[in-house]
Amino acid sequence: AQSVTQLDSQVPVFEEAPVELRCNYSSSVSVYLFWYVQYPNQGLQLLLKYLSGSTLVKGINGFEAEFNKSQTSFHLRKPSVHISDTAEYFCAVSAPSGGSYIPTFGRGTSLIVHP
Amino acid sequence: GAGVSQSPSNKVTEKGKDVELRCDPISGHTALYWYRQRLGQGLEFLIYFQGNSAPDKSGLPSDRFSAERTGESVSTLTIQRTQQEDSAVYLCASSFRDRGRSEAFFGQGTRLTVV
Repeated sequence: AQSVTQLDSQVPVFEEAPVELRCNYSSSVSVYLFWYVQYPNQGLQLLLKYLSGSTLVKGINGFEAEFNKSQTSFHLRKPSVHISDTAEYFCAVSAPSGGSYIPTFGRGTSLIVHP
Repeated sequence: GAGVSQSPSNKVTEKGKDVELRCDPISGHTALYWYRQRLGQGLEFLIYFQGNSAPDKSGLPSDRFSAERTGESVSTLTIQRTQQEDSAVYLCASSFRDRGRSEAFFGQGTRLTVV
């Protein structure tokens, strides 16, 4: 079985500052990795995903994430945040388990961008 | 419709009553998931449907919870004899069957409050 750990429940940051949201996973098999964002009063939507190939993946709204197999991490970064990036961010891992691929989600990190 | 649709969006029920939550997935998506999101917590997997295969019910917290899906369309999640700890947002998601590579598309959720 796989698991996902998001180390920070809340990350406050000032506008235009860089940010990193941390995600670590555990799995005994190869995984696919995802970051989702949930804006206030909206459903979850995909930010980016890693399937294979280049370990640096770029997503929407200027976000990127780097897959590090040796550290089993998939941290999300943005060089300069905006007020509109205030949202809940979820890391997820998908791996085979008994023939099924059921995404496992972390607890979420609340990004709070201050003016 | 263009996205995953869930109804009702909000439900307040008395302790001990049964409730039924509905999910209309995106047309063509063979995989359907139900998750529960308690306040301040991550997404807790409940049940997974894949086409006509037997559902993966490993996440259902008790026998008061059950779910059905008609073919590759509508799904209903039923909670019998609701308890206060059942209060949460219930999220439905669907995806293509792509062995875990496809993103999950989420509905807006049903906010269930048991009083």
